[in-house]
Formats: sequence, structure tokens, C-alpha cells
Amino acid sequence: EVQLVESGGGLVQPGGSLRLSCAASGFTFSSYEMNWVRQAPGKGLEWVSYISSSGSTIYYADSVKGRFTISRDNAKNSLYLQMNSLRAEDTAVYYCARADSVAGLFDYWGQGTLVTVSS
Amino acid sequence: AIRMTQSPSSLSASTGDRVTITCRASQGISSYLAWYQQKPGKAPKLLIYAASTLQSGVPSRFSGSGSGTDFTLTISCLQSEDFATYYCQQYYSYPMYTFGQGTKLEIK
Repeated sequence: EVQLVESGGGLVQPGGSLRLSCAASGFTFSSYEMNWVRQAPGKGLEWVSYISSSGSTIYYADSVKGRFTISRDNAKNSLYLQMNSLRAEDTAVYYCARADSVAGLFDYWGQGTLVTVSS
Repeated sequence: AIRMTQSPSSLSASTGDRVTITCRASQGISSYLAWYQQKPGKAPKLLIYAASTLQSGVPSRFSGSGSGTDFTLTISCLQSEDFATYYCQQYYSYPMYTFGQGTKLEIK
């Protein structure tokens, strides 16, 4: 069974940093592209970042470029999101999502981890 | 960036009704359009991709159509479990995806 489990969320002050993790199981992690998607409270979905299966290709949404860093450790079946210079508008549930091998669509999602940026 | 606009933002309907949700892209995206369903407190679930192809396990009362800039999601004969929020997503600019703002389907 495919499972994605996020962790690392919490309360952080504006300007602070946080590192999210996503532990994957039930599939060959190193063969799949991965993404982070976030959802502010009561709002819609926003794609945040993409990483290729090898980690060699990375993309970011303009809203996080230069502040967030996506990475992965295929030996540990884990995906990460390092978030720096956090702002109030980064407050959201952060989901990791697997991209399917056919069209790059999000076929499996984690349960999400809440990040709250507030003083 | 490609912008996706859904309408309506919310919709009230009754069990057994047929409903249609519209999604418009700011530029042509061919058929690179997916629909997701999200229930409160849960992660989204992929329903339809390539504008009209049902993901495995999705009931046939769900259907999608469109190409270019205009797309629709139709649910025929609403069931109680269908009341949720629906999002369209373009993947024409893969892997830089964008979602619509969502349509909340509520019980009348």
C-alpha cells in the first residue's frame, strides 16, 4: 500500500525556518517524481515545488522561489522541504504528493502537516 | 503563468441532481486538465485526467469534457458522498502546475 506521511510542521515566527519531511513507503520511491502542494486555511490548493526522481530537476512556484528548497534522499525514501524566511502567508497545510509515471498527475497524497507562521 | 478559473465558486444541489462545474484556462492547454475531489480534512483525490479520462475506481457518474481553454466536470445523479470541493488542475505547463480556486458542492 502506498503511503506518504508528512512531518515537521508547527508554529514558527515570521522570518523563521522549518523543515518538512515526507516518508514514503509501498512503492519504489526512487522511480517517482514528487511534489509539495499547500493549502492555506479555508483556501484552495497551491502547487509549491517539484523534484524529479533523481533530484536533478527542480521547480518552484514564484511565491516560494528563493526561500524554499526541495530535496530528496532516495536511500531513505524521503522527501524534504526546507522553508526559510517564512511569512504569514506561508501558513498552510503542506501535502507531499506523488506524480504518476504517465502524466505527472498527483495520484497519491499524504495527510498533510500544518505550518503556522505567527508571532 | 497559466491561470485557471472555476465557476461557480459554490453550488447547492440535492441528491439525485445533475451538476456541472466549469473550468477556464487563461491560455490553451489542449486536454492537459485534471479534476480532483477534496473532502474536509482530507487530501485531494484524483478523479479525471486528460480532460475526460476517469481515474481507476472513480464512479461512472463522473464525467469530464473540453479542450483548449474551456472544460467541464459533470456529476450525474449526485450521491451523498459527492458533496465536497472540486478543483481543476492544468498540467500543460508540467511540472509547473496550477489549480483552479475550487468549487464547493453543498447539499441543498
